[in-house]
Amino acid sequence: DIVMTQSPATLSLSPGEGATLSCRASQSISTNLAWYQQTPGQAPRLLIYGASTRATGIPARFSGSGSGTEFTLTITRPQSEDFAVYYCQQYNRWPRTFGQGTKVEIK
Amino acid sequence: QVQLQQGGAGLLKPSETLSLTCVLSGGSLSGYHWTWIRQSPGVGLEWIGEIDHSGSTIYNPSLKSRVTLSVDSSKNQFSVRLTSVTAADTAVYYCARALGLAWGYYYMDVWGRGTTVIV
Repeated sequence: DIVMTQSPATLSLSPGEGATLSCRASQSISTNLAWYQQTPGQAPRLLIYGASTRATGIPARFSGSGSGTEFTLTITRPQSEDFAVYYCQQYNRWPRTFGQGTKVEIK
Repeated sequence: QVQLQQGGAGLLKPSETLSLTCVLSGGSLSGYHWTWIRQSPGVGLEWIGEIDHSGSTIYNPSLKSRVTLSVDSSKNQFSVRLTSVTAADTAVYYCARALGLAWGYYYMDVWGRGTTVIV
């Protein structure tokens, strides 16, 4: 299985401070990577697919980059509703696998 | 607007069979793959498997011996069965639509709200 490793586990930010989340794959997955956002009690929500394409309705302050094994999710000037847990997921091979998540919290 | 409504038993005893259904509204099962994912504090998000509208399936090898996915196009729904459950199967189970630009490369764009299953 492809192992997805996210860092950091927790990111503490002041409101308006930018956030950079990292995701590493144990082998190359091209750009077959998605990012999801999850708030407490809710299902994950698709943010980014194809490593860099925002899903429908996702604000431009969310951006993704990377290919191969290294990927980044950037949140520019996070709003209060952006404090949540973020997961990366590879869909290059079966079984699909997820990272352990990065919790973005208010400092 | 595509929505997925989940249903099924949430409290099971060890060795029983988990059975959950996901009903699709606002769309058709055709042309997409349909997935089940579970989430537990210890394991995180775990992909269980996926099925297409014709019934072709792909399972996570870690669960393959115990899991069966099925689809019922007449009811616009798909289901998961997991046999011989143990406490390790306690999790929130999600159904989701899998979408992709090329065959075999699917991400999940619509999710159900989740069903908590306790063994």
